[in-house]
Amino acid sequence: DADVTQTPRNRITKTGKRIMLECSQTKGHDRMYWYRQDPGLGLRLIYYSFDVKDINKGEISDGYSVSRQAQAKFSLSLESAIPNQTALYFCATSDSGIPYNEQFFGPGTRLTVL
Amino acid sequence: GDSVTQMEGPVTLSEEAFLTINCTYTATGYPSLFWYVQYPGEGLQLLLKATKADDKGSNKGFEATYRKETTSFHLEKGSVQVSDSAVYFCALTYSSASKIIFGSGTRLSIRP
Repeated sequence: DADVTQTPRNRITKTGKRIMLECSQTKGHDRMYWYRQDPGLGLRLIYYSFDVKDINKGEISDGYSVSRQAQAKFSLSLESAIPNQTALYFCATSDSGIPYNEQFFGPGTRLTVL
Repeated sequence: GDSVTQMEGPVTLSEEAFLTINCTYTATGYPSLFWYVQYPGEGLQLLLKATKADDKGSNKGFEATYRKETTSFHLEKGSVQVSDSAVYFCALTYSSASKIIFGSGTRLSIRP
């Protein structure tokens, strides 16, 4: 079984709709992240959480919100989706006990906003 | 600020060719350097890492050396295989940091 899972894997929605992407992990890591990937831009950080009570904005948080429901679950919401949020979204985890901040990625969710 | 620059792709090689993907970085401190690989339809996975200057990371026949004097971390492999076709990301991070700074990725295609 995968250590970091994301649901759904693909989603097509319309402008203005509310969308939630979910991430679960079985690695026991305390830190979780949401990134988006756009062609030619690498990955950009949206939000991150160092524990259940800690939520922080990344470099591109506008238009997004997150919820850390438990140590193992971190969801990303688009309150009112717009076409330029069409992208590949990745969840990642890391263990604060590892000194070099290695992150483990889920398989991604491909989101299309029409 | 910190940044990572890697060679643009796509890179297309024949099987058994020698591979180099260039990566340079700008850092205000002493980061750890990574290469991540993304196979088709999958998330990123760590390929190799180096945590201090002159360290050499290696895995699956790939190597990269942390060169502080040239601020580089070039990825090399002596003989590529079709199964190496993927997107490769150079990245840096600090041990106390919240995020990894990624390069824009280099798509590699290997012809049989």
